[in-house]
Amino acid sequence: KAGVTQTPRYLIKTRGQQVTLSCSPISGHRSVSWYQQTPGQGLQFLFEYFSETQRNKGNFPGRFSGRQFSNSRSEMNVSTLELGDSALYLCAIQTQYFGPGTRLLVL
Amino acid sequence: AQSVTQPDIHITVSEGASLELRCNYSYGATPYLFWYVQSPGQGLQLLLKYFSGDTLVQGIKGFEAEFKRSQSSFNLRKPSVHWSDAAEYFCAVGAGRDDKIIFGKGTRLHILP
Repeated sequence: KAGVTQTPRYLIKTRGQQVTLSCSPISGHRSVSWYQQTPGQGLQFLFEYFSETQRNKGNFPGRFSGRQFSNSRSEMNVSTLELGDSALYLCAIQTQYFGPGTRLLVL
Repeated sequence: AQSVTQPDIHITVSEGASLELRCNYSYGATPYLFWYVQSPGQGLQLLLKYFSGDTLVQGIKGFEAEFKRSQSSFNLRKPSVHWSDAAEYFCAVGAGRDDKIIFGKGTRLHILP
């Protein structure tokens, strides 16, 4: 069974800071997607990477970026954090296997 | 525009009763359809998916869903719920197995003892 590891699990930052979240597909799947979950907006697609190339992007500002490495691990970065960026960030492989998420709180 | 509607924000059923969670989608092409469950503080777990073929799909934990193209629906069912089924359930639609997926707002299921 494919698995997904996300680090860190919890994070507290202040406005204006930047943050980097990591996602590691255990089985080395080439497709990794990122989602943001908030109580108000629900689950929203951020972007998808396939073989180190961004293949799809959601409607988020340029402060949100990502990348994928040759070992399929992916990172997402949020610069100049805003209070509204507080959310659960989930990564997924093959749209079927989701990680436990990183809960980000921006103060 | 692509969208998923879950009309029920909250549903309460008694333990042992049957369950049906509704999902309607709007999609221009043949959709890939998913149901996920999320327990408090957890990530998403895939219950079942429909790509093609038999319109009645069996999933994990005793859940099933039926794809009805004419009604643009993909309702989730379970014949007898257990207290452990209390969670939030999300219906989702996508263009492919690895493509981005669009989620509904979710239905929170409460179980009465």
